[in-house]
Amino acid sequence: DAKTTQPPSMDCAEGRAANLPCNHSTISGNEYVYWYRQIHSQGPQYIIHGLKNNETNEMASLIITEDRKSSTLILPHATLRDTAVYYCIVRASNNNDMRFGAGTRLTVKP
Amino acid sequence: DAGVIQSPRHEVTEMGQEVTLRCKPISGHNSLFWYRQTMMRGLELLIYFNNNVPIDDSGMPEDRFSAKMPNASFSTLKIQPSEPRDSAVYFCASTQRGFDGYTFGSGTRLTVV
Repeated sequence: DAKTTQPPSMDCAEGRAANLPCNHSTISGNEYVYWYRQIHSQGPQYIIHGLKNNETNEMASLIITEDRKSSTLILPHATLRDTAVYYCIVRASNNNDMRFGAGTRLTVKP
Repeated sequence: DAGVIQSPRHEVTEMGQEVTLRCKPISGHNSLFWYRQTMMRGLELLIYFNNNVPIDDSGMPEDRFSAKMPNASFSTLKIQPSEPRDSAVYFCASTQRGFDGYTFGSGTRLTVV
């Protein structure tokens, strides 16, 4: 799988949008971008994934650049409960070998 | 759906004892994964199954670790004999299709003393 680079930590004010970046400059054409988060003492939680088009669901939006070398996860109105470690992962759909990096620790502050 | 169910939630055992962790995937999911999480190494993929068949066990630390999936609704991860360095949170996850997201269980916190 292609490797990803994420900032180790970020802060966000409650109610504001949280924009979490991810670089994946060696991504291959058949590899998807996945985002998960892990709230303290819980299992990782799937958020969203995409191939090349921007995606939106009830949790977040995923913006993928045209060259697919980077992406941004957007939490439109962050709450204190969004404080977690956010993982960006790239993998091919036919490859179940999904490996987590260090992620970004997002802290939402009142 | 109750999600991925792991048991026990917490396990404390003495060094040298056998430990068995259990996982029930979501009904209809045909891929199952075992991960281990420690502060030092983060989340590590240990092994995964497709349709009950082990596909890749290259992440299993050593021969003391073994995993089985006798049917589509149950998997075990066994450590024999256990050692203090095996102390970690062990997660099980499942998915239905290759490109879907994975659903993780709540984990088993293992402490080997």
